[in-house]
Amino acid sequence: SQTIHQWPATLVQPVGSPLSLECTVEGTSNPNLYWYRQAAGRGLQLLFYSVGIGQISSEVPQNLSASRPQDRQFILSSKKLLLSDSGFYLCAWTRTGYYQPQHFGDGTRLSIL
Amino acid sequence: EDQVTQSPEALRLQEGESSSLNCSYTVSGLRGLFWYRQDPGKGPEFLFTLYSAGEEKEKERLKATLTKKESFLHITAPKPEDSATYLCGVDTGRRALTFGSGTRLQVQP
Repeated sequence: SQTIHQWPATLVQPVGSPLSLECTVEGTSNPNLYWYRQAAGRGLQLLFYSVGIGQISSEVPQNLSASRPQDRQFILSSKKLLLSDSGFYLCAWTRTGYYQPQHFGDGTRLSIL
Repeated sequence: EDQVTQSPEALRLQEGESSSLNCSYTVSGLRGLFWYRQDPGKGPEFLFTLYSAGEEKEKERLKATLTKKESFLHITAPKPEDSATYLCGVDTGRRALTFGSGTRLQVQP
């Protein structure tokens, strides 16, 4: 069966510090990978998605970047965090093809001080 | 622009009191509608996929239905463990799903 891992679960960082969140998927190959941010009481905002190694598409201009160094690894980064980067970050994967449900990790709660 | 609206924002039920959650959508070409359950501090958990109007899916006390404009998640005789936020998302062939803001369901014993 397939599993998705995200870490860390919780992170408190000062403004201006760098960020690295990691997501890995097991039990499948060549998944589509996604990073979302979820604000309290709001829906999921798509940040990045990837259909293959080194292929990253950004949905919104922001202070964040993403990389996919391996087939089942997806990394969300920032060089300098802003207060507005606080939120709940979720990684998700799907099989390639249409009509595939997304499967989510348990998220990272990021607080910027 | 694709839009997904969920209502109500919050719903409080007594145990055993059946109700429905609504997900209405305005999209250009629906390929699939997905329902998720999200517990506090956790990622959304996939429940159902609906592909065409008239389709229904069931799982325990949950039943999802789909029309050309909206989807309903019916909860029959809910229990406290059904308390969660329920999200719907639509697939229109774009890069990823477009999600609604969710309905926070609280079932009191």
